[in-house]
Amino acid sequence: GQQVMQIPQYQHVQEGEDFTTYCNSSTTLSNIQWYKQRPGGHPVFLIQLVKSGEVKKQKRLTFQFGEAKKNSSLHITATQTTDVGTYFCAGPEGGGYQKVTFGTGTKLQVIP
Amino acid sequence: NAGVTQTPKFQVLKTGQSMTLQCAQDMNHEYMSWYRQDPGMGLRLIHYSVGAGITDQGEVPNGYNVSRSTTEDFPLRLLSAAPSQTSVYFCATKADYEQYFGPGTRLTVT
Repeated sequence: GQQVMQIPQYQHVQEGEDFTTYCNSSTTLSNIQWYKQRPGGHPVFLIQLVKSGEVKKQKRLTFQFGEAKKNSSLHITATQTTDVGTYFCAGPEGGGYQKVTFGTGTKLQVIP
Repeated sequence: NAGVTQTPKFQVLKTGQSMTLQCAQDMNHEYMSWYRQDPGMGLRLIHYSVGAGITDQGEVPNGYNVSRSTTEDFPLRLLSAAPSQTSVYFCATKADYEQYFGPGTRLTVT
């Protein structure tokens, strides 16, 4: 079945430093989504990317979908303590929208 | 609107016991799903439903049963709990592509 891996698994950064997490799928994705889960909380939808090479920004967050639609990245500029949490990418299996496979997640810790 | 609600929040079971995790939504979404979350493994899809009366298996369905008699409710049943089912369980609904998650149920099987 489809596998979605993320690296790194953990990342500790000083507040103000940048952070990037990478997502790689074993299959081509029709779209990719990103979610954030705060400690003790539930995943919350951040964004969806659909087009090859697409780049979207949300304030300090920049999301990119690879040209081959098999990888994606999330970059946070000048991290803040509010960025703490685990970031997941997710993609539908087999081109449909019913089975969504989540990545393994990257846990971000920001040191004030 | 409550969104997606799950009960209970915490549960401890002994091996072999059965129980039902409840999930309800008031967003009128046809799609509902159950995930389990284990450290280092992300969220893994257990079962999903695209509407009342329709369910299908996800990545890790063994040991779990579901049914969908109404749009609002999607219970997850553990027939004979095993320690390997110790996890955090999330229910979610989906509109188009965005999934809305419930607060989760933390289950421990001893």
